[in-house]
Amino acid sequence: QKEVEQDPGPLSVPEGAIVSLNCTYSNSAFQYFMWYRQYSRKGPELLMYTYSSGNKEDGRFTAQVDKSSKYISLFIRDSQPSDSATYLCATARGDNYGQNFVFGPGTRLSVLP
Amino acid sequence: SQTIHQWPATLVQPVGSPLSLECTVEGTSNPNLYWYRQAAGRGLQLLFYSVGIGQISSEVPQNLSASRPQDRQFILSSKKLLLSDSGFYLCAWSIDFTGHSYNEQFFGPGTRLTVL
Repeated sequence: QKEVEQDPGPLSVPEGAIVSLNCTYSNSAFQYFMWYRQYSRKGPELLMYTYSSGNKEDGRFTAQVDKSSKYISLFIRDSQPSDSATYLCATARGDNYGQNFVFGPGTRLSVLP
Repeated sequence: SQTIHQWPATLVQPVGSPLSLECTVEGTSNPNLYWYRQAAGRGLQLLFYSVGIGQISSEVPQNLSASRPQDRQFILSSKKLLLSDSGFYLCAWSIDFTGHSYNEQFFGPGTRLTVL
């Protein structure tokens, strides 16, 4: 079983739609949960990170973590064509440096105008 | 502010040829440095990380090697490339925190390597 699983998509939605991106993870030791956005042929950039369970909101983006079910989500409200990218979820144990980041394969999102 | 550079941006190499990819970080001292490979449809695979000059840890056994000759310079090398080495190589850095803390990783622009 992979440590972090994510539907690779592609996912196509019309502009203005609410987008839901999801990941599951297997290691209960993970404490930090991140969402990265990666445009084509670019390096990933951090969108949001959360610690432990709960919701975190930043503008049109909401990250949600449910540690009991090992499920993490990213919601994008009022999606825009500029949101078209690959979204990577990542987890980390939070002990010692950062070498324990585990990334999902990414979901490719297309927002159609 | 901190910036991270990678070069070259794109590289096409024949099988069996050597490889050298370079990554440099500006605006920070003693960063942790990472090399990842991203294959199509797959997640980021951590290849090497370094917590200091000359200190390299390998996560995946392969024909690649890494070196850190200076504090903010990280080099990925190979003596003989394989077809399976094709991919998108990303360098990243994070602040040197110890203990229980969150280390955001900042990624460079990447190098797309095609081995023919």
